[in-house]
Amino acid sequence: DGGITQSPKYLFRKEGQNVTLSCEQNLNHDAMYWYRQDPGQGLRLIYYSQIVNDFQKGDIAEGYSVSREKKESFPLTVTSAQKNPTAFYLCASRRTAKETQYFGPGTRLLVL
Amino acid sequence: GEDVEQSLFLSVREGDSSVINCTYTDSSSTYLYWYKQEPGAGLQLLTYIFSNMDMKQDQRLTVLLNKKDKHLSLRIADTQTGDSAIYFCAELRGGRRALTFGSGTRLQVQP
Repeated sequence: DGGITQSPKYLFRKEGQNVTLSCEQNLNHDAMYWYRQDPGQGLRLIYYSQIVNDFQKGDIAEGYSVSREKKESFPLTVTSAQKNPTAFYLCASRRTAKETQYFGPGTRLLVL
Repeated sequence: GEDVEQSLFLSVREGDSSVINCTYTDSSSTYLYWYKQEPGAGLQLLTYIFSNMDMKQDQRLTVLLNKKDKHLSLRIADTQTGDSAIYFCAELRGGRRALTFGSGTRLQVQP
């Protein structure tokens, strides 16, 4: 069954802690994206990667980091420098030749 | 930066047509999208339109594009209670090939 998986569904972060959100796709898509969604708002781009071993900052990259060591995986780390991390995080992927982006089910991050 | 704008809320009766409107910002956007989000879920791609088209129909969905006014609309025919959700329009901008989203329109379908 092809698709995009994100884990965990819910994640709790303590003050000063780094946490990592997982995103995996088996669609053989080249490009992957991380978005943040706050209540009542649209999605904002955190980071994106067009190919393996390369990634660029989006509009709200401060306090976040990513890696792209494998085509299938694009983990997002929310660092302690991100002062307001509570949000719904969505991962997406896109095949380079096609412009449509497909989304995972999301991870909700809450601060304890 | 400039925003993609949508109205916040739309309420319709079951069986009626729904029209959700969006104003986008970048005249060079090549693709425009409509996504649906149900509570607590990710975004589901509904349909998209290439900028050289002015209309696209897909079963109950009709997308209209007015490039001159940078206006996009989504019409849902015979709206059902299962269509209740938040609908986002998005435009594909620039070299980074990422999407810029509106803030979403909450569609409420009353029985």
